[in-house]
Amino acid sequence: DADVTQTPRNRITKTGKRIMLECSQTKGHDRMYWYRQDPGLGLRLIYYSFDVKDINKGEISDGYSVSRQAQAKFSLSLESAIPNQTALYFCATSDGFGRGTNIQYFGAGTRLSVL
Amino acid sequence: GEDVEQSLFLSVREGDSSVINCTYTDSSSTYLYWYKQEPGAGLQLLTYIFSNMDMKQDQRLTVLLNKKDKHLSLRIADTQTGDSAIYFCAESYTGNQFYFGTGTSLTVIP
Repeated sequence: DADVTQTPRNRITKTGKRIMLECSQTKGHDRMYWYRQDPGLGLRLIYYSFDVKDINKGEISDGYSVSRQAQAKFSLSLESAIPNQTALYFCATSDGFGRGTNIQYFGAGTRLSVL
Repeated sequence: GEDVEQSLFLSVREGDSSVINCTYTDSSSTYLYWYKQEPGAGLQLLTYIFSNMDMKQDQRLTVLLNKKDKHLSLRIADTQTGDSAIYFCAESYTGNQFYFGTGTSLTVIP
């Protein structure tokens, strides 16, 4: 089983709909992240969380919200989806520098299309 | 955010060496990383280098770090068709955030 699991893997939705992408991890890491990937732009950070009570905005948080339901679960919501949110979304976890090298471990991604 | 730059495409012949380059702007980076993304998959760590090192070798992979020029490179020896993928460099400092490059799409020609 994957250490970082994202659901769904693919989703097609319409403009204005609310969408939730879910992420769960079995690595026992405190830190979790949401990124989006667009061709030619690399990965851009949407939100990150260092523990259940610590949520931080990343580079491109507008139009998104997150919830850290437990150490192992971090979900990303699009309150009212718009076409330019069509992208590949990744969840990641890390152990931070205090315990290691802050290596990030990624899920397989969710491909979202907003029509 | 920080600027981490890579060229978008690289083509090499099978058996040749590949060199993927990356430049970054933050001189206080603690670790620098190389990730590989195969089609339809997430990113997987290939290797990383601590900022006080100049070179790291791991089997077919060699990482070179030039801190003065803020330049990082990944050399893949004896490149195989299975090495075709997108390669991302990333930097991390203060332990808070990662900054990824745009990714280099490597195509290996049989």
